[in-house]
Amino acid sequence: DTEVTQTPKHLVMGMTNKKSLKCEQHMGHRAMYWYKQKAKKPPELMFVYSYEKLSINESVPSRFSPECPNSSLLNLHLHALQPEDSALYLCASSQEPPAAGGTGELFFGEGSRLTVL
Amino acid sequence: GENVEQHPSTLSVQEGDSAVIKCTYSDSASNYFPWYKQELGKGPQLIIDIRSNVGEKKDQRIAVTLNKTAKHFSLHITETQPEDSAVYFCARGGGSNYKLTFGKGTLLTVNP
Repeated sequence: DTEVTQTPKHLVMGMTNKKSLKCEQHMGHRAMYWYKQKAKKPPELMFVYSYEKLSINESVPSRFSPECPNSSLLNLHLHALQPEDSALYLCASSQEPPAAGGTGELFFGEGSRLTVL
Repeated sequence: GENVEQHPSTLSVQEGDSAVIKCTYSDSASNYFPWYKQELGKGPQLIIDIRSNVGEKKDQRIAVTLNKTAKHFSLHITETQPEDSAVYFCARGGGSNYKLTFGKGTLLTVNP
């Protein structure tokens, strides 16, 4: 199994709603990531979990709250989002966590397309 | 810094022709250079990567070349097919920075 699975594929929410995005991988990877991608732009790193612990937060607003329940699962909890948060949210995983001096292959999921009204 | 410049931003070729996309980087400590293909409505998919101890790598119709002295790397697709149409992102990793830095992407259109 070389897949990263994300649900839901599409999500529409109001600014007062609370919702969650989910990600799952069964490759035994020790690092999992959340990226945000706006139309016609490259992915932007949001969070990195290494061995189930949050290791990197790219100064993301607190209305985005990540969670790693176990080594295979990654969630992104959404609350009080703004319309400008509408984007494709990508989950990724890698065999080992990123570290200065070396980077490994990232496996991306298909993404969750979020629309905030 | 770790900027990556990618050119061209759009590329249109006839089926069967070759396509070349070029990227340049600034951090001389970079040691990992992947290329991702992203089809409409899908996540990026790694298609080929190269590490700094290798100058060229080939996988069927796809090849990547790396010139560390000039700090540039290129993606070469031969015998292009309509299903090669997608956005291609180059990226670099390694050095003092822990994360991949992506180029801005190239929209490749292969016309039948």
